[in-house]
Amino acid sequence: RKEVEQDPGPFNVPEGATVAFNCTYSNSASQSFFWYRQDCRKEPKLLMSVYSSGNEDGRFTAQLNRASQYISLLIRDSKLSDSATYLCVVRVNTDKLIFGTGTRLQVFP
Amino acid sequence: EAQVTQNPRYLITVTGKKLTVTCSQNMNHEYMSWYRQDPGLGLRQIYYSMNVEVTDKGDVPEGYKVSRKEKRNFPLILESPSPNQTSLYFCASSLRGLKNEKLFFGSGTQLSVL
Repeated sequence: RKEVEQDPGPFNVPEGATVAFNCTYSNSASQSFFWYRQDCRKEPKLLMSVYSSGNEDGRFTAQLNRASQYISLLIRDSKLSDSATYLCVVRVNTDKLIFGTGTRLQVFP
Repeated sequence: EAQVTQNPRYLITVTGKKLTVTCSQNMNHEYMSWYRQDPGLGLRQIYYSMNVEVTDKGDVPEGYKVSRKEKRNFPLILESPSPNQTSLYFCASSLRGLKNEKLFFGSGTQLSVL
């Protein structure tokens, strides 16, 4: 079993739709959680950190469920510019990040 | 502008010909790291450095070397490249390690080893 698992997609959604991605992790001692965004063949960029209480940044909402060991990302009112691959990232100790393979989102007009 | 600069952006080479991919950051970051990204495998860490003269192996260090003689530079060296090292490589840095710190990535180096 992979340490961090994501549905690769693609998720094809129309503009304005709400879409949600989940990510599961296997190490119950994982300490921090993040969503990164990666455009095709470009560098990943931090989208948002994920806190236990959940957090929101504009149209983006991230949630953490430690009991079930998953994190989620909700995107409301999807824009064409949201088309990208979303990487789930888990910090398992002070030295190590585990990257998921990503979920591809395609928003169409 | 705060950034991580990698060079070259694209590199085609032949098996066994030593190469170096450079990485430099201008943010006075202590932590630097190299990753490779392959389809279906996600980003995997090759080597990392918590500070000058301190380097450690990541998950896939075989066939790679690094050095951290200065804080800003963290070159990746392939002494004898092989075709299985064909990949997309990213250098990354953060201020003080990984604890809730944002990682800044370079723009990547697409390496092809023939």
